[in-house]
Amino acid sequence: GQQVMQIPQYQHVQEGEDFTTYCNSSTTLSNIQWYKQRPGGHPVFLIQLVKSGEVKKQKRLTFQFGEAKKNSSLHITATQTTDVGTYFCAGRRSNAGGTSYGKLTFGQGTILTVHP
Amino acid sequence: GAVVSQHPSWVICKSGTSVKIECRSLDFQATTMFWYRQFPKQSLMLMATSNEGSKATYEQGVEKDKFLINHASLTLSTLTVTSAHPEDSSFYICSAPGPGRWVYGYTFGSGTRLTVV
Repeated sequence: GQQVMQIPQYQHVQEGEDFTTYCNSSTTLSNIQWYKQRPGGHPVFLIQLVKSGEVKKQKRLTFQFGEAKKNSSLHITATQTTDVGTYFCAGRRSNAGGTSYGKLTFGQGTILTVHP
Repeated sequence: GAVVSQHPSWVICKSGTSVKIECRSLDFQATTMFWYRQFPKQSLMLMATSNEGSKATYEQGVEKDKFLINHASLTLSTLTVTSAHPEDSSFYICSAPGPGRWVYGYTFGSGTRLTVV
């Protein structure tokens, strides 16, 4: 079945340092989504990438989707303590059955700790 | 934005009893609801997919008779953990595609922390 590998599992940074997490899928994806889960909270949608080679930015966050639509990355510039949490990528395959929404396969997540 | 209300937030139950978890989409219709299980510091494992008006689709290895899913309406899906045992203790969370999927992605409930004693 489809697998989405995400690395690193943990990342400890000093406030102000940059952070990157990477995802790699075993199969070509229709799109990839990124979520953030704060400690004790639930995943919150950050962004969706659809096009091959797509790059999107949200303030200090930069999201990339690979040319082959099998890998993706999230880069945070100058981390802040508010960036603490677990970042998940989630790959979605087209649903051949005809329903509008396919299942998401989540990566293992990267737990980000930011030291002030 | 889209909101999925999940209740209860936490529950402690005795071994052998059943627990029902509800997820309601508050301001949109959720024809599909995904149910996940998450262990501490681990990823979300999809348990099943429920569709309004039809039987749920379970992932491989998930016991249908143990985790009963009902999607009675376009705004309500429930997960019942039957005859719960300590190994069922986990964080259960539901998710529905948002009304504007390209904008909202999938909206998650706040999760239910189940502890079976």
